[in-house]
Amino acid sequence: SQKIEQNSEALNIQEGKTATLTCNYTNYSPAYLQWYRQDPGRGPVFLLLIRENEKEKRKERLKVTFDTTLKQSLFHITASQPADSATYLCALESGGATNKLIFGTGTLLAVQP
Amino acid sequence: NAGVTQTPKFRVLKTGQSMTLLCAQDMNHEYMYWYRQDPGMGLRLIHYSVGEGTTAKGEVPDGYNVSRLKKQNFLLGLESAAPSQTSVYFCASSTTSGTHNEQFFGPGTRLTVL
Repeated sequence: SQKIEQNSEALNIQEGKTATLTCNYTNYSPAYLQWYRQDPGRGPVFLLLIRENEKEKRKERLKVTFDTTLKQSLFHITASQPADSATYLCALESGGATNKLIFGTGTLLAVQP
Repeated sequence: NAGVTQTPKFRVLKTGQSMTLLCAQDMNHEYMYWYRQDPGMGLRLIHYSVGEGTTAKGEVPDGYNVSRLKKQNFLLGLESAAPSQTSVYFCASSTTSGTHNEQFFGPGTRLTVL
C-alpha cells in the first residue's frame, strides 16, 4: 500500500534561516503532490501543488521540489519567520478522478526569534 | 463566503450513543470528504462523495455512515460511538474544475467518547 513518511521530530530553526522539510513516499507514483499548513486547533490550509513533470515550484518564500526517481519532495521556507511556525503536511494524490489525497503525519516547524 | 463549516465544534459522548456531524460548503464543490486526525497517525480518509447522492468508503470507514442529500452538505454519522472514535474530525471539499485540485478544510470537530 502507499506510504508517506515525514520527519516526525520537530524542526527548530532560527529566524531568517531556511527551513527544509522532507516527504518520502513508497509503493506509488503520484501524478501530483501537495503541501498544506496546519495551525493548532485549525484545519489544514493548502500551500502548493507540484506535478510529476515539474522539478520545482515556487510561491513567494516557499519552494517545493519533486524527485520522482528518489520518490521524495522537499519543502523549503526561506527567510523563515516566527509566524511560519506550524505543522506542515505532505499529501499525495491517491489515484482516480476524485482528488483524493493520502496525507503524511506532518512535521512541526518551530522558528525561534 | 464562509467556505467549509462544521458543527458542532466540540462534543462529548458516552459509549453507545449516536450523533451526526454536519459539514456545509458554499463553494459549489462537487467533492467532499470526511477525515479523522489522531496523534501520530495523520489525516485518514473515512468516507468521501463525488456528488450529490453518492458516497464511497475511504481508508477507515468502519463504525461510520455518511449521506450527501444536498450538494452543499455532507453528514457523518456515528450510530454507536466507541472510545476508539475519540478524535478530531475534519471535513473538506474540492472542485473538479480547479487547477490545483486542492482541498478546502473546515475547522474541525473535537469528539470525545467516554
